[in-house]
Amino acid sequence: DAKTTQPNSMESNEEEPVHLPCNHSTISGTDYIHWYRQLPSQGPEYVIHGLTSNVNNRMASLAIAEDRKSSTLILHRATLRDAAVYYCILSRETSGSRLTFGEGTQLTVNP
Amino acid sequence: DVKVTQSSRYLVKRTGEKVFLECVQDMDHENMFWYRQDPGLGLRLIYFSYDVKMKEKGDIPEGYSVSREKKERFSLILESASTNQTSMYLCASRTGQGISGYTFGSGTRLTVV
Repeated sequence: DAKTTQPNSMESNEEEPVHLPCNHSTISGTDYIHWYRQLPSQGPEYVIHGLTSNVNNRMASLAIAEDRKSSTLILHRATLRDAAVYYCILSRETSGSRLTFGEGTQLTVNP
Repeated sequence: DVKVTQSSRYLVKRTGEKVFLECVQDMDHENMFWYRQDPGLGLRLIYFSYDVKMKEKGDIPEGYSVSREKKERFSLILESASTNQTSMYLCASRTGQGISGYTFGSGTRLTVV
């Protein structure tokens, strides 16, 4: 599986936008980019995924570079409840595909 | 609201015991997964299942087995629990059709003493 690189930690202030970067320079043409987050004492939670085009949903936006070697998860207005570990994961979308989690980015949101 | 339910939130077992961790999903998902999560090691895949009665080894299957007799239920079995299997265990499921995210359970924190 292609590898992703994320910063270990980031900080943000409440109600400000947050841009969480992810590098995936060895991504293949069939790899989807997934983002999950894990709040303290909970299982991971799906946030968003995309292939080539930017994606928006109620939780976040995903901006994918034109060469697909990097992507950015955008939280438009951070809240204290967004403090979590955010994982950027590549996955080939075949039947039974699996997710391999890295260390992720610990996001701290300051009041 | 769709759900993945793990039977126990906390579990304490003795070394050598046979341990069953149960996971049930109500979304008619084909794919189910068992991970364990340890500080500094992140989430690691133990076993997964494409569909009923099917199973595949993940990255760390040693000391574990699984059972998928019904579509909604995926059981993780520790044949003879050891202290190094003390961990947070997370179950997940997803549809086998098209592109979708995983839904995770809340986890079972297992302590082997």
